[in-house]
Amino acid sequence: GENVEQHPSTLSVQEGDSAVIKCTYSDSASNYFPWYKQELGKGPQLIIDIRSNVGEKKDQRIAVTLNKTAKHFSLHITETQPEDSAVYFCAASSDSGGSNYKLTFGKGTLLTVNP
Amino acid sequence: NAGVTQTPKFQVLKTGQSMTLQCAQDMNHEYMSWYRQDPGMGLRLIHYSVGAGITDQGEVPNGYNVSRSTTEDFPLRLLSAAPSQTSVYFCASRPLVLETQYFGPGTRLLVL
Repeated sequence: GENVEQHPSTLSVQEGDSAVIKCTYSDSASNYFPWYKQELGKGPQLIIDIRSNVGEKKDQRIAVTLNKTAKHFSLHITETQPEDSAVYFCAASSDSGGSNYKLTFGKGTLLTVNP
Repeated sequence: NAGVTQTPKFQVLKTGQSMTLQCAQDMNHEYMSWYRQDPGMGLRLIHYSVGAGITDQGEVPNGYNVSRSTTEDFPLRLLSAAPSQTSVYFCASRPLVLETQYFGPGTRLLVL
């Protein structure tokens, strides 16, 4: 089955700096890669996603890049703010047939943005 | 829309007790799923359903039962709770033909 590795497990940056979180996946059939943000005591919320036919996607201060050949994808947050502090999860999805998309999650990165 | 709702928010059980975690969604999503979240383990799939009357096992199904009698509801049952089931449980839903899942706020379960 799919295996998703996420690094680093913790990341501390100064406000205004950039943050990068990296994930690798094992199943070449995976074709959808979402990123979720989880604030303390809340459920994961989708912040950005990318499909395998796209190399990069941006949404304001957040961007995701995908390298299909190397099987890795990354989340980039620019001009970080204290409210960006949260746990971030990457995931990879493949279709097992019949729209049975199965999400496999990384173990998460705790991002702390220091004022 | 309320999205995905879960009850209760927090529960303490004794070993051997049973309980049902409730999950409901008002987005008419065919697909619903349950995950557990443990420190350092990420989110692991317990059970999922692609529609009313259809359920299947995920990665860690042992000790849990599910049923799907309506599109809206997908309860998770613990028949005999064990300390290893102490975790935070998340319910999620999505349209069947799309990959994006929407998560509920979670239920924190402590089994003593």
